[in-house]
Amino acid sequence: EVQLAESGGGLVQPGGCLRLSCAASGFSFSSNWMSWVRQAPGKGLEWVASIKYDGSVIHYLDSVKGRFTISRDNAKNSLYLQMNSLRADDTALYYCAKLLGTVTTYDSWGQGTLVTVSS
Amino acid sequence: DIQLTQSPSFLSASVGDRVTITCRASQGINNYLAWYQQKAGKAPKLLIHTASILQTGVPSRFSGSGSETEFTLTITSLQPEDFATYYCQQRNLYPVTFGPGTKVEIK
Repeated sequence: EVQLAESGGGLVQPGGCLRLSCAASGFSFSSNWMSWVRQAPGKGLEWVASIKYDGSVIHYLDSVKGRFTISRDNAKNSLYLQMNSLRADDTALYYCAKLLGTVTTYDSWGQGTLVTVSS
Repeated sequence: DIQLTQSPSFLSASVGDRVTITCRASQGINNYLAWYQQKAGKAPKLLIHTASILQTGVPSRFSGSGSETEFTLTITSLQPEDFATYYCQQRNLYPVTFGPGTKVEIK
């Protein structure tokens, strides 16, 4: 069974930083693209970033480029999101999501970790 | 960026009803569209990908159709567990984008 477990969220001041982690199990992590998708409170879903299985290709939402860094450690079956220069509009539940093969469609999701950016 | 719109944004229906949700793309996206169901407090669940392919384990009362700019999600006989918010998502181009959602509530 695929399991994705996010951690690292919390309350941070504007301009601060956080590092989110996602521990993966139940599938061949090193063979799968992975993404972060977020959802602001009471709002819809917003894709944030994606990373190829070997880390060689990365895509970012324009509004997070230069501030967020997605990475992975295949030896640890883990996905990360380093978030710097956080803003109030980054406040959201951040989901780790597994792509359906090479298709940018998400067939497994974690339960999310909440990031709140507020002074 | 490719914008997705959904209609209706809110739908009130009864158990047993046939429900149709439409997703429109701002430009052609081939058949690169997926549908997700999200219940309150839960992560989204993939229902359909590539416009019409039912994800493993999803009941056959769910179906998808369409191509390029207009897509539909149909639930043939609404069940109590189907009351949720439904999102479409395109993967034709980055950035990946989602529709704003359609909330299906009990009449």
